[in-house]
Amino acid sequence: SQTIHQWPATLVQPVGSPLSLECTVEGTSNPNLYWYRQAAGRGLQLLFYSVGIGQISSEVPQNLSASRPQDRQFILSSKKLLLSDSGFYLCASDRGLGSPLHFGNGTRLTVT
Amino acid sequence: DQQVKQNSPSLSVQEGRISILNCDYTNSMFDYFLWYKKYPAEGPTFLISISSIKDKNEDGRFTVFLNKSAKHLSLHIVPSQPGDSAVYFCAASARGTYKYIFGTGTRLKVLA
Repeated sequence: SQTIHQWPATLVQPVGSPLSLECTVEGTSNPNLYWYRQAAGRGLQLLFYSVGIGQISSEVPQNLSASRPQDRQFILSSKKLLLSDSGFYLCASDRGLGSPLHFGNGTRLTVT
Repeated sequence: DQQVKQNSPSLSVQEGRISILNCDYTNSMFDYFLWYKKYPAEGPTFLISISSIKDKNEDGRFTVFLNKSAKHLSLHIVPSQPGDSAVYFCAASARGTYKYIFGTGTRLKVLA
């Protein structure tokens, strides 16, 4: 079964600082990869998804970007964090259309 | 536009009784539905799914029912256990897309 590793688990960053969150997947090849965000008291919002190396689709225009340098590596970045970027960031993967998403344990980001 | 809605933010049930969690959707193109359980500070865990060609799917104590004409699905947990206390999310996707749209979640509390 696939295992998704995310780090760090928690992060406190000042406004205007850069961000890099990393996600790696084990136990599968050619996965679809996703970044979701859960803001306080809200549901899961899809930010980016990728169906292959170098292929990124953005769902919400914002201060963030994503990259997929390797098949099982997905990175979420920002050049300058905003207060509104605070939230719980989740990496997820699936094996293709019609298969369930599996999530990592998330990163709690607080921008101060 | 919230395409997947969980109108009950919270639910309390006695241990041993049935928990029924509800979810409504608006997009008739959705054909694959999933339920997830989430504990605080962890990623969501996949519970059970159903495709639109079925109206029921069971896995142990969990059963998902799909009513396509009403655009409604529900998750039944029988019997409910204290360890089931968590936030439950429903999610939906449309054929040929990579997007899973999540509801805002229902917090279930199972009372011992």
